[in-house]
Amino acid sequence: EPEVTQTPSHQVTQMGQEVILRCVPISNHLYFYWYRQILGQKVEFLVSFYNNEISEKSEIFDDQFSVERPDGSNFTLKIRSTKLEDSAMYFCASSPGPGGNYGYTFGSGTRLTVV
Amino acid sequence: AQSVSQHNHHVILSEAASLELGCNYSYGGTVNLFWYVQYPGQHLQLLLKYFSGDPLVKGIKGFEAEFIKSKFSFNLRKPSVQWSDTAEYFCAVTSTGGGNKLTFGTGTQLKVEL
Repeated sequence: EPEVTQTPSHQVTQMGQEVILRCVPISNHLYFYWYRQILGQKVEFLVSFYNNEISEKSEIFDDQFSVERPDGSNFTLKIRSTKLEDSAMYFCASSPGPGGNYGYTFGSGTRLTVV
Repeated sequence: AQSVSQHNHHVILSEAASLELGCNYSYGGTVNLFWYVQYPGQHLQLLLKYFSGDPLVKGIKGFEAEFIKSKFSFNLRKPSVQWSDTAEYFCAVTSTGGGNKLTFGTGTQLKVEL
């Protein structure tokens, strides 16, 4: 069964550093998403991406965050200057069409720890 | 804005017991509903989804859920749980007015004891 692959599985970074979280969505999927889950809290939507641009973003997704699909296979989330409160599990997801109509396939997540 | 609430945060059951996890959503329009499961150390996996049609939806691993529109509910059920069902269960919704994003509930941690 096709999978969404995320790397690394765990990343530790110092406050103020830039991090890039990487995702390889399923190859024929067209919609891509990032979600995060702070420990003990619910999974929260960050951003959706379609046709090489952001289609929707939450209020969490401020100027510190950016997404990119640099080479047609990877989908990255960059946090420019990490804060302690960015510590969370970050999930990438993809769907072949609008997720609400097709469902979403999630990756295993990257646990980001900001120290 | 759409929201999802899951009533039980932690559930402990013995093997062979029946399971029902509550999920209610708030949104007045057309919704698509999902249950995801997250086994320890693994990714979110889709258990089942409801888009339209028969409100009783059957998913993988013997799970089912019933969409009751009048109650804004989508409860997850399994007649007889197994130890391997120990996991966290998330209810989620998308809506016609909510774009493509999934709104998740807080999750229910299920522990099945032998």
